[in-house]
Amino acid sequence: KQEVTQIPAALSVPEGENLVLNCSFTDSAIYNLQWFRQDPGKGLTSLLLIQSSQREQTSGRLNASLDKSSGRSTLYIAASQPGDSATYLCAVNSNRDDKIIFGKGTRLHILP
Amino acid sequence: EAGVVQSPRYKIIEKKQPVAFWCNPISGHNTLYWYLQNLGQGPELLIRYENEEAVDDSQLPKDRFSAERLKGVDSTLKIQPAELGDSAVYLCASSRRGVNEQYFGPGTRLTVT
Repeated sequence: KQEVTQIPAALSVPEGENLVLNCSFTDSAIYNLQWFRQDPGKGLTSLLLIQSSQREQTSGRLNASLDKSSGRSTLYIAASQPGDSATYLCAVNSNRDDKIIFGKGTRLHILP
Repeated sequence: EAGVVQSPRYKIIEKKQPVAFWCNPISGHNTLYWYLQNLGQGPELLIRYENEEAVDDSQLPKDRFSAERLKGVDSTLKIQPAELGDSAVYLCASSRRGVNEQYFGPGTRLTVT
């Protein structure tokens, strides 16, 4: 059974710093991995989708990487801003049982 | 394009009462998902539809939860009777078949008293 872990559970960094959020998964048989952000009391906003054949995806200040063999993905945020404060979740779409499993998320706080 | 629409946004009911949530997916999206999200947790899948067919309802508590997606567009999730432990946010998402990039609605926050 696929398990998805996000470490750390919470992170505070000063504005302007670059940072990395981590997502690990136990079964490398995946279709894709998707990163989301969730603001308090809101739904999830899709940030980046990486297909199993891809190594990374970029959108603006965000870069997501995927290493299937080691069961890891990272979300890199460059030049962080207070507006980046949110919870970031990763979701893995397993092709073994065709299920989508979410991590518990990392709560990010950017200090002004 | 319009996003995923959910209603109501908030619902407060007493235990043992019924409740229903409605979702309208993004136009053209064949796949529709209902998730449950507890505080501090990631969403957990309740049911997934491909058009009008429920292809994965293994996590749906069928004794009290039911769902339907008539005509393969809008969907309704129902709880009857509601229990205190059902208090959570219920999220709806949709995607195009074969792409699997999910788009979420704002959710319905349910409080059972």
